[in-house]
Amino acid sequence: GEDVEQSLFLSVREGDSSVINCTYTDSSSTYLYWYKQEPGAGLQLLTYIFSNMDMKQDQRLTVLLNKKDKHLSLRIADTQTGDSAIYFCAESTNDYKLSFGAGTTVTVRA
Amino acid sequence: DTAVSQTPKYLVTQMGNDKSIKCEQNLGHDTMYWYKQDSKKFLKIMFSYNNKELIINETVPNRFSPKSPDKAHLNLHINSLELGDSAVYFCASSGQGNQPQHFGDGTRLSIL
Repeated sequence: GEDVEQSLFLSVREGDSSVINCTYTDSSSTYLYWYKQEPGAGLQLLTYIFSNMDMKQDQRLTVLLNKKDKHLSLRIADTQTGDSAIYFCAESTNDYKLSFGAGTTVTVRA
Repeated sequence: DTAVSQTPKYLVTQMGNDKSIKCEQNLGHDTMYWYKQDSKKFLKIMFSYNNKELIINETVPNRFSPKSPDKAHLNLHINSLELGDSAVYFCASSGQGNQPQHFGDGTRLSIL
């Protein structure tokens, strides 16, 4: 989406860390989300962060939020082949609407 | 015990036909949504209902008509299907306010 931007592709070696970056434009965003979509599958909510937080960690996932720069990142530690998927960044701009980025296709190579 | 379920998973039909996609959620959520994902994987909201009331309608052609018989169901009816309607349609639901949205597995619509 035009309000949320992500790089389109990321290639990472198995066992390394992946970092997926996202920028958004609406300073009134309340929550920011990361969704994962595997080939032919639906959208899986991976994690989300409230806009008054800087960081959230959940097992191998670390979300960093820089509200001043409107920059969100998702770090996946010890990337595995099962992490190959499209990762969508999304922001909620009011109570009921999500605006999605175009998705980052992550390819994990052996 | 699927949280958000859509039927059918695949729908192949001819141009000009009318078709419906059904969605049900068992999460007790008040708000339900329809999104369209195009061939480039871009996701855009189409409609949202809160407690059976339409709250978002994102300039979708009026050939698309959502119907919410109760807050656990949001169906999507499409009249006079066109080639450009080919996409994956996702249903989602969320609790009150800005709660995270949970998605169904999608309905892959192909127009011949």
